[in-house]
Order: sequence, then C-alpha cells, then structure tokens
Amino acid sequence: AQTVTQSQPEMSVQEAETVTLSCTYDTSENNYYLFWYKQPPSRQMILVIRQEAYKQQNATENRFSVNFQKAAKSFSLKISDSQLGDTAMYFCAFMKLRNNNAGNMLTFGGGTRLMVKP
Amino acid sequence: DTGVSQDPRHKITKRGQNVTFRCDPISEHNRLYWYRQTLGQGPEFLTYFQNEAQLEKSRLLSDRFSAERPKGSFSTLEIQRTEQGDSAMYLCASSLRQSQETQYFGPGTRLLVL
Repeated sequence: AQTVTQSQPEMSVQEAETVTLSCTYDTSENNYYLFWYKQPPSRQMILVIRQEAYKQQNATENRFSVNFQKAAKSFSLKISDSQLGDTAMYFCAFMKLRNNNAGNMLTFGGGTRLMVKP
Repeated sequence: DTGVSQDPRHKITKRGQNVTFRCDPISEHNRLYWYRQTLGQGPEFLTYFQNEAQLEKSRLLSDRFSAERPKGSFSTLEIQRTEQGDSAMYLCASSLRQSQETQYFGPGTRLLVL
C-alpha cells in the first residue's frame, strides 16, 4: 500500500513571497502520477499540478512548480509570488497506474494549511 | 463544460436515518469515484465506477453503504442507519479513462449525524 506524508500541518507566507510545501511518499511502484490539489475554505478541490513519475523534468504551471526527487520519494510544491487567493488547504496525492478497467484511485496526504498574509 | 456537481451540499440527519447523496460527473467522463473526508484529514477512497459497473470498493465501505451509477451517468451514494461516525464530507470525482487520468472533484456533500 502507498502512503503519503505531509509533515507541515500549517504554514504562512507573506503576500508576494515564495513558499515551499513538502510531501514524501512511500511506494514500491514504478509507474505512477503525483498531484497537488488545492482546497480553499468551503470550496471544492482544484487540481494545481501533476507530475508523471517517468518524466525527469519538473512540472510547472505558472506560479506553481514542483521539485520531484524520485529516488528520495519527495514531491514538494513551490508557490512563487504568493497571492491572497492561494490561502487554502493543499493536498499531495499519489496515483498508482493500473491496467485495463482497474480504478486509479488517489491516496492523499493529511494536508498543509497555507495562509497568505497581506 | 460544466464541472462535477453534488447534491445536497449539506445534510443534517439523526442517527439511524437513511441518507442519499447524488453526484453528476462531467458529461463525457466514464470513470467516477467517491471519497470521504473527515475534518482536518485528506480524502479517502470509498468506491469506483467505470460506466455503470462498480468495480472496486474500499474496506471503509461498510455494508450500510451502497452506491449505484445507473446508465453510467449520475451516481448515488446511500448510507443506511447512519451513525455519528459517518459525519464527514463526501466527495465525488470523475475522470476520462486515458493514459493521463486526472480526477476532477465536485464541491462535496457535508453530512452531520446528530
């Protein structure tokens, strides 16, 4: 079974600054995806960024980028130029890729609550 | 293209009552997942449908829980004889079966069992 650990329950950052959220995972699989999802207060879960394990290049989406260290099983999220709207719970998630009709369910970490301060 | 919708958004019920939640996935998505999220935790997988077939169920899904997806469109999750421990956010997600699967989540149904 896979496990995902987010060691920072809460973090805060000043507006316009950069913050990094940590995530480690444990798996014996070689074919998988990793995700960061954002869950704003009382709002739905939104995909932030996705990384395919077979890709060595780190994924980037505008102000969001990841540092994917496959050997270390580490997948951190960097948010640059933080904005007030980035305030949310952030969840790291692991997806083992399975064949045919098998489901590709997500295994989530416990989350990091990020507060962006003006 | 509308996103995943869930109804109701909030439900308060008394212990022992039955409740039913509905999820409408993104229209072309053939895969549908249910997750449960308790306060301060990450979501946990409950069950998975491909089209109308329920192909996987988590050990978290006790025999009081049942899910359906008739005709491979919307899905319902029913909890019978609710218990206080069932209080949680129930999330639905949908995706398209392809090599790069990404799940899109609905707003969730928050259940409180008194």
